[in-house]
Amino acid sequence: LAKTTQPISMDSYEGQEVNITCSHNNIATNDYITWYQQFPSQGPRFIIQGYKTKVTNEVASLFIPADRKSSTLSLPRVSLSDTAVYYCLVSMYSGGGADGLTFGKGTHLIIQP
Amino acid sequence: EAQVTQNPRYLITVTGKKLTVTCSQNMNHEYMSWYRQDPGLGLRQIYYSMNVEVTDKGDVPEGYKVSRKEKRNFPLILESPSPNQTSLYFCASSLSGGGGSTYFGPGTRLTVT
Repeated sequence: LAKTTQPISMDSYEGQEVNITCSHNNIATNDYITWYQQFPSQGPRFIIQGYKTKVTNEVASLFIPADRKSSTLSLPRVSLSDTAVYYCLVSMYSGGGADGLTFGKGTHLIIQP
Repeated sequence: EAQVTQNPRYLITVTGKKLTVTCSQNMNHEYMSWYRQDPGLGLRQIYYSMNVEVTDKGDVPEGYKVSRKEKRNFPLILESPSPNQTSLYFCASSLSGGGGSTYFGPGTRLTVT
């Protein structure tokens, strides 16, 4: 499984756009990039997944450059409730495969008023 | 509503007293797994199951047992709990393993004294 590196923590303010970058230099051809959000004492929650270029859903956007060695999670107009830990994961398949999810330490995002 | 449920949510027990944490999902998912989360160590997979009667070890299986007799249920068994198993436990399920959207349960906070 490809290792991921992301900042330990980030601060921002309400209404701002927040971009969290994750590096995954050893990503394999079949790997997908997935982001999860976790609030204290709650289970992680799936945010978004992508393979290349750009993916957007109602919560976030995911930007993946052509070489796929990094990815950026973009949260538009954050609010206080977006304060959480965000995990970047690289895994073999979008679906299928026996490998569990390898969570790193994640990025602790703190949103201030 | 799609969900993963765990019981109990909180448990305090003593060393050596067998316990079971139940996990159930209502999404007809084939893949289920257990994770533990400890400060500074992140989420680590304990066991996973790709389907009924198919289970395998994750990264930290020592001291735990699981069974998968029905598709919807995946109990975690601690035959002889020890204080180092004090942790926050999460059950998860997905249509099939890998990085596809995985649903996590609300967590079980276990304290072994």
